[in-house]
Amino acid sequence: AQSVTQLDSHVSVSEGTPVLLRCNYSSSYSPSLFWYVQHPNKGLQLLLKYTSAATLVKGINGFEAEFKKSETSFHLTKPSAHMSDAAEYFCVVSDQNFNKFYFGSGTKLNVKP
Amino acid sequence: GAVVSQHPSRVICKSGTSVKIECRSLDFQATTMFWYRQFPKQSLMLMATSNEGSKATYEQGVEKDKFLINHASLTLSTLTVTSAHPEDSSFYICSARDLGGGYTGELFFGEGSRLTVL
Repeated sequence: AQSVTQLDSHVSVSEGTPVLLRCNYSSSYSPSLFWYVQHPNKGLQLLLKYTSAATLVKGINGFEAEFKKSETSFHLTKPSAHMSDAAEYFCVVSDQNFNKFYFGSGTKLNVKP
Repeated sequence: GAVVSQHPSRVICKSGTSVKIECRSLDFQATTMFWYRQFPKQSLMLMATSNEGSKATYEQGVEKDKFLINHASLTLSTLTVTSAHPEDSSFYICSARDLGGGYTGELFFGEGSRLTVL
C-alpha cells in the first residue's frame, strides 16, 4: 500500500529565505512522486514529479525536490522564498499504473515580508 | 501542460435541489477522470473514478446515488449532487490524466467548484 506523510501542517518563512517542506512516503514498490501547489479557491498545479529518473528533480518557480530512497523522503525545497509562494503544498504518491493517487495532508506555506 | 476546465467555479443552491458540475479536458482525451472533495483546511478526498463509457468507481463511504457521475465522452465528465443539503457544501475538484505520448503520470486539475447549499 502507498501513503504519504507531510510532517508539517504549517511552515512560515521570511521572504528571501530558504523553504523546506517535508514529505515521507511509504510504498511497496518504486514510487512515482509529485508535488502540487494550491492557491486559495483554486485547483492544483504540478510543481514537479519524480518517476524513476534523476533523483534530484527541478520544477517550476525555482522549486526542486530530492528523492531519497534510503530515507523514504521527497522533500521540497527552494533557495529563496517569494511572497507569491504562499500557498498550500501537497505531496502525492501514485500506484504503479497511475490509477490511484494518494495525497498527503498538505503543508500551508506562509511567507512573511 | 494539458488543460482541464471545470464549471461552474461557484454555485449557491437551495437545499433539496440538484447541482451539476462539469469537468472538461480541453486539449487532450481523458478516458479517466477523478473527482475529489476538499473540506476546509484539509487534503483532497477521492470520491470516485470516472471512466468514459462505463460506470464510475466510487470510494468507500461515498453515496453513488447522491453523487452521480457521468463520463459520456472522452473530454467531459459531470458530477451531479442530487437533493443537496448543507452538509454537501464543499470544494469539489476534478482531475484527469493525459495518456498521450510521453505520459509520465501527472494529474491535471480543474480550478475547482465551490458549492454552497443554503
